[in-house]
Amino acid sequence: QVLLVQSGAEVKAPGASVKVSCQASGYTFTAYYMHWVRQAPGQGLEWMGIINPSGGSTNYGQKFKGRVSMVRDTSTRTYYMELSSLRSDDTAVYYCARRDSGSSSFDYWGQGTLVTVSS
Amino acid sequence: QSTLSQPASVSGSPGQSINISCTGTSRDVGTYKQVSWYQQYPGNAPKLILYEVSLRPSGVSNRLDGSKSGNTASLTISGLQAEDEAEYYCCSYAGSATWVFGGGTRLTVL
Repeated sequence: QVLLVQSGAEVKAPGASVKVSCQASGYTFTAYYMHWVRQAPGQGLEWMGIINPSGGSTNYGQKFKGRVSMVRDTSTRTYYMELSSLRSDDTAVYYCARRDSGSSSFDYWGQGTLVTVSS
Repeated sequence: QSTLSQPASVSGSPGQSINISCTGTSRDVGTYKQVSWYQQYPGNAPKLILYEVSLRPSGVSNRLDGSKSGNTASLTISGLQAEDEAEYYCCSYAGSATWVFGGGTRLTVL
């Protein structure tokens, strides 16, 4: 079955960077793009960007351009999302979510990774 | 990109039907059929419940239905059950490989 397993919770100081991983299994890795979505405490979902596992091309939400980097490692079937220059309002649960090829929906989600930005 | 507009909360009694609206613009909901809906329980990841406006993934109850008119999409849940109490989010493709979510709607079953 499709599984997306994310790395554990992180606590970072303001100005630092965080790198969250998402290991995929149960499907052909290169056949499906991967999104990253975040959710601040008590808030809604916010789309951050998408990566093509074949070639690694990316597209980021305007709000995150210049501060986010999404890469993948095909040998380990793992995606990484790095967010830099962290601020307190970056405190959120970060999700990876697979893009369904046909419908462009987010059909499988990771369990989420809580990133807390605090001094 | 801005957020799609959803009511903050809706409620209904068991057995009743409710509707959750999702209003975007001609740059997203109004142009693309790639509108999807997600259900989220507290502390859990979202779950896909409708895609391409009204299609249900395998295993999703047929009490859930979706529609779209102009710049507004809607989720209807009929025969409300206690298990339907959750947060619901709409999402639309917005062109140029970007997506936008709604602000979320809290459904309370009275």
